[in-house]
Amino acid sequence: KAGVTQTPRYLIKTRGQQVTLSCSPISGHRSVSWYQQTPGQGLQFLFEYFSETQRNKGNFPGRFSGRQFSNSRSEMNVSTLELGDSALYLCASSPGRGQLQETQYFGPGTRLLVL
Amino acid sequence: GENVEQHPSTLSVQEGDSAVIKCTYSDSASNYFPWYKQELGKRPQLIIDIRSNVGEKKDQRIAVTLNKTAKHFSLHITETQPEDSAVYFCAASPTGSARQLTFGSGTQLTVLP
Repeated sequence: KAGVTQTPRYLIKTRGQQVTLSCSPISGHRSVSWYQQTPGQGLQFLFEYFSETQRNKGNFPGRFSGRQFSNSRSEMNVSTLELGDSALYLCASSPGRGQLQETQYFGPGTRLLVL
Repeated sequence: GENVEQHPSTLSVQEGDSAVIKCTYSDSASNYFPWYKQELGKRPQLIIDIRSNVGEKKDQRIAVTLNKTAKHFSLHITETQPEDSAVYFCAASPTGSARQLTFGSGTQLTVLP
């Protein structure tokens, strides 16, 4: 199976702009989680989507939002970009079956630079 | 919420030696503990995980131990090789948040040839 894919891989934006990142999970996976990775804060959970519904949300401002489509592909949006939003944004997919903890498989990430 | 602390932040070992990375967690409800390896410029990749119903799991040169009472878990790499050099992250996932991982701050492991 193809792995998790993310587009675009690199992005440069200026403060105040908005950005949309895309994630395609492994075929058959129904859950997509998003994480922000920075040198200072490490890997932090943003939110998780399952069956087009946000199931969990991390401690990020409302400028960060997301959605999931019926084919399980997910997008995240950041509005009114700030310099501190510069980071590697990773998505991870998992099967979304049952109650047991499931392995999350990460995509290559989108590196966002805000100038 | 969950808080995961990871030590050490950097670790250098000679090729062939063992490496141990330790993590502690705060939420006693956490029941899933994966370890990820991230090479420079690459995505995090799962190397081993353990669920709270077992105390130890081994996969070739890699092992993880879990002490639920003390709320800590450790990664053990034996017979280290230069290709083991990477950043290693531990994580915890509490019951009810199956796909919400709280990560440790990472350990930069360098294996010296």
